[in-house]
Amino acid sequence: NAGVTQTPKFRILKIGQSMTLQCTQDMNHNYMYWYRQDPGMGLKLIYYSVGAGITDKGEVPNGYNVSRSTTEDFPLRLELAAPSQTSVYFCASSYYNEQFFGPGTRLTVL
Amino acid sequence: DQQVKQNSPSLSVQEGRISILNCDYTNSMFDYFLWYKKYPAEGPTFLISISSIKDKNEDGRFTVFLNKSAKHLSLHIVPSQPGDSAVYFCAASEYGTNAGKSTFGDGTTLTVKP
Repeated sequence: NAGVTQTPKFRILKIGQSMTLQCTQDMNHNYMYWYRQDPGMGLKLIYYSVGAGITDKGEVPNGYNVSRSTTEDFPLRLELAAPSQTSVYFCASSYYNEQFFGPGTRLTVL
Repeated sequence: DQQVKQNSPSLSVQEGRISILNCDYTNSMFDYFLWYKKYPAEGPTFLISISSIKDKNEDGRFTVFLNKSAKHLSLHIVPSQPGDSAVYFCAASEYGTNAGKSTFGDGTTLTVKP
């Protein structure tokens, strides 16, 4: 049982580039989430999904897109990267309230 | 407006003593509360939770207390150990259509000194 896995662990992007952060869970959870954590701050919800084919915006969705074609995968797409998107990104999944987190992706936009 | 607040960014305690981490919330629709622990370069891990129908939940050295009238919860760690040094996040969620989604506080960094 790998839990929640995220790739890549680290990435440096140039302004205007695009990339996809991958997230996979093997716990058959219906709920999945993407958060960002800025230094000294809490976790801000970007997007979430309550099941395959269903996604919704969280607190800070601008500049991001998601898709959920399978129960296991929930990729996060960054289009036209900006310095303000420099952060640590966490993917999580849950059966209900208790969330299981991946190890995070540290993204720097220069 | 921040709905979940952890007003102490950091806390330092001596090994063996009690650590008390506090959390306040403003949304009266929150009815389930969780604490997560986070080590550097790792994702948060679930620690303990409490439903609004209870005022206390205990798991080993960890106890969470909920005061609904004050919209306040606290996490007690007794006795504190150096391995407890981490960032602790308080989170709150609602049942119903928002089930599963949680709102997080900014975290409290706990340092337990040997």
